[in-house]
Amino acid sequence: GQSLEQPSEVTAVEGAIVQINCTYQTSGFYGLSWYQQHDGGAPTFLSYNALDGLEETGRFSSFLSRSDSYGYLLLQELQMKDSASYFCAVRAAGGFKTIFGAGTRLFVKA
Amino acid sequence: KAGVTQTPRYLIKTRGQQVTLSCSPISGHRSVSWYQQTPGQGLQFLFEYFSETQRNKGNFPGRFSGRQFSNSRSEMNVSTLELGDSALYLCASSARQGGSPLHFGNGTRLTVT
Repeated sequence: GQSLEQPSEVTAVEGAIVQINCTYQTSGFYGLSWYQQHDGGAPTFLSYNALDGLEETGRFSSFLSRSDSYGYLLLQELQMKDSASYFCAVRAAGGFKTIFGAGTRLFVKA
Repeated sequence: KAGVTQTPRYLIKTRGQQVTLSCSPISGHRSVSWYQQTPGQGLQFLFEYFSETQRNKGNFPGRFSGRQFSNSRSEMNVSTLELGDSALYLCASSARQGGSPLHFGNGTRLTVT
């Protein structure tokens, strides 16, 4: 089967750093992505890791370890506008479909 | 460049009816994927179309179907609607088959009463 696991909820303080973990089990693996979705909005792409290591894009970084079937999204210098749901997603099944986790709801407090 | 456009934004239907949702991908994108989103369930993969052919299908009953036209626009149809079909239906396009990133539309909110 194919599954992704991520925490359902994380709370952090403005200005802090937060890490959202994702473990996956898929038949075939072609990369791990992260998406952000604000309430009432569409998911938007944040990052993509095809190889092991860290990818940095501004305040956001994403890490992948293929041997551990594990990745994380790191958000630094948290802002109130970062309050949203974050989804990890894996390209699987020959790379022809993207499977999403159930999402992590991030609450940023002042 | 215009983004992914989904119509309609909202729909209210009764059980037993059928519904058709429309998705126009970003210009030049040939891959269109459909997802169902319900609270706490994340995004459930429905199917992906590329060059008018369904390339992959999720674990949904046959009441859910779709198609893609030569201009890459896609439609999704749900027949014999059930209360459990109430959800946000998201369409995403990408430049390559199964490619990343996926560009999502704002979705169609379907309510079945």
